[in-house]
Amino acid sequence: GEDVEQSLFLSVREGDSSVINCTYTDSSSTYLYWYKQEPGAGLQLLTYIFSNMDMKQDQRLTVLLNKKDKHLSLRIADTQTGDSAIYFCASEGGATNKLIFGTGTLLAVQP
Amino acid sequence: NAGVTQTPKFQVLKTGQSMTLQCAQDMNHEYMSWYRQDPGMGLRLIHYSVGAGITDQGEVPNGYNVSRSTTEDFPLRLLSAAPSQTSVYFCASSASTPGGTGRNTEAFFGQGTRLTVV
Repeated sequence: GEDVEQSLFLSVREGDSSVINCTYTDSSSTYLYWYKQEPGAGLQLLTYIFSNMDMKQDQRLTVLLNKKDKHLSLRIADTQTGDSAIYFCASEGGATNKLIFGTGTLLAVQP
Repeated sequence: NAGVTQTPKFQVLKTGQSMTLQCAQDMNHEYMSWYRQDPGMGLRLIHYSVGAGITDQGEVPNGYNVSRSTTEDFPLRLLSAAPSQTSVYFCASSASTPGGTGRNTEAFFGQGTRLTVV
């Protein structure tokens, strides 16, 4: 079945850039998403990219998509302590009615 | 506009007990789903529904039942609770069904239910 994988943990210093990586298996995914989960809360959509795009920029966030390698990344510029959270990559199965999430990457921002 | 509301927020069950986790949304969304979140496992899809009267299984459906009698409500039933069902459960809804619609299907999540089975 479909699978989405991420590294579990990333630690950066405040002001540095963070890059969170994700790989997925479903080549028919139409949209790919990044969600953010703060402690004790549900997930909230951060940004998304349509599968025919290579890059999308939204203020401090840059999403890069390599469709050939099925690799997605989220870059956060000028990372702040408020960015500390778990970040989930998600793909929607093109042939199924499912939104599949990765394992989540815990981003820890050191002051 | 309350969005997605889950109740209860916390629950402790004894092995073998049954219970229902409630989920309601007021956005007239067609698609609803239940996930469980476990450390190192991410979110795993339990069941989902593409509209009232239609449900289907996700990755980890065993031990859970769902029904969708109205657009607004999508309860998750634990038939006979087991310690392996200790987890945080999230309900989500979206305006359209993922996959094939060509439309962005942003999922809106509830705050979660933390369930412990002893």
